[in-house]
Amino acid sequence: AQSVSQHNHHVILSEAASLELGCNYSYGGTVNLFWYVQYPGQHLQLLLKYFSGDPLVKGIKGFEAEFIKSKFSFNLRKPSVQWSDTAEYFCAARPYSGAGSYQLTFGKGTKLSVIP
Amino acid sequence: GAGVSQSPSNKVTEKGKDVELRCDPISGHTALYWYRQSLGQGLEFLIYFQGNSAPDKSGLPSDRFSAERTGGSVSTLTIQRTQQEDSAVYLCASSSESTLAVYSNQPQHFGDGTRLSIL
Repeated sequence: AQSVSQHNHHVILSEAASLELGCNYSYGGTVNLFWYVQYPGQHLQLLLKYFSGDPLVKGIKGFEAEFIKSKFSFNLRKPSVQWSDTAEYFCAARPYSGAGSYQLTFGKGTKLSVIP
Repeated sequence: GAGVSQSPSNKVTEKGKDVELRCDPISGHTALYWYRQSLGQGLEFLIYFQGNSAPDKSGLPSDRFSAERTGGSVSTLTIQRTQQEDSAVYLCASSSESTLAVYSNQPQHFGDGTRLSIL
């Protein structure tokens, strides 16, 4: 079965520090990859997505992620975090085709706390 | 508003009671998903509706769980004879993906969820 692993449960950074959140998926075929963000008291929002093409994907609010097929990874990065980036971040994957094509498999999430 | 709407936002009930959770997707979105987020866990897929097709129920954890989608729009998730392990946030998402293609690159849009607490 497909699975998504996020390596860090809770990350604490000071403002202006660089961020990298790890995400690995287990599916061997072609996958679509997503990062969602959940700010305190708000619903899940799409941060960025990868379907095909350039493996370096730019998202909203200065976030980017790099798809490395050989490592089954899709790590999220931001060069300089702000206090407003405090949120929980979820990596998700879904197979390109076949049974169960559409539902997302989520990681358990990484809570990011940014200290002013 | 233009987003996915879920109600109630919070529900507290006694063990053994039945509960109904409602989801109103974004207008025009034919795909609708239910997920569950338990404490310390990621989001777990429950059920998927696409237009008038038979739903994909492969994620439902037991036969106490069922869902309907009437008229291709509003969906209701029903949990019968609730147990304490059913306590979780139940999230609904909708998408404009289509059955016209095996694969669609439309993302899912999530509602605020219903926080269900079983006493």
